[in-house]
Amino acid sequence: KAGVTQTPRYLIKTRGQQVTLSCSPISGHRSVSWYQQTPGQGLQFLFEYFSETQRNKGNFPGRFSGRQFSNSRSEMNVSTLELGDSALYLCASSNGQGVYNEQFFGPGTRLTVL
Amino acid sequence: GENVEQHPSTLSVQEGDSAVIKCTYSDSASNYFPWYKQELGKRPQLIIDIRSNVGEKKDQRIAVTLNKTAKHFSLHITETQPEDSAVYFCAADSNYQLIWGAGTKLIIKP
Repeated sequence: KAGVTQTPRYLIKTRGQQVTLSCSPISGHRSVSWYQQTPGQGLQFLFEYFSETQRNKGNFPGRFSGRQFSNSRSEMNVSTLELGDSALYLCASSNGQGVYNEQFFGPGTRLTVL
Repeated sequence: GENVEQHPSTLSVQEGDSAVIKCTYSDSASNYFPWYKQELGKRPQLIIDIRSNVGEKKDQRIAVTLNKTAKHFSLHITETQPEDSAVYFCAADSNYQLIWGAGTKLIIKP
């Protein structure tokens, strides 16, 4: 099976712009989670989608939003970008609902905000 | 909010020696504790996990122990090898999401 893919791999934006990141899960996986990874901070949970429904949301401002399509592909949107949004954004898919299943990560999208 | 503390942030061990990474969690309701390994430039991958009804779990050279009373769990790697060099993350479930530690960079010295 093909692994989790994310596009684009790199993005450079300026403050105030918005950005959309895409994630394609492993075929058959219906759960997609998004994480922000910054040096020294580990992984910060953004949200999880299962069967097109957001099941859980982390402690991020409303500028961060997402959605999931009927084919389980997911997008994450960040509006009004700030310098602090520069990070590696990882998505992960799992076979089943909830966090008790192994999460398969994508390669990430590295976002740089200037 | 709930948190997971992970120590040390960097660990350097001689090849062949053992390495231990420790995590403490705050949510007494946590029941699931996975460990992920992230090699340089690669994506995190699950290496072992443990659930609260088990005190210890082993898989070849790696093992995880859990002390629910003290709310801490540890990753043990024996006979370390160069390919063990990576950043290791612990996590604990809380309110249907995973709360992650900040990571431990493990360096294996030849």
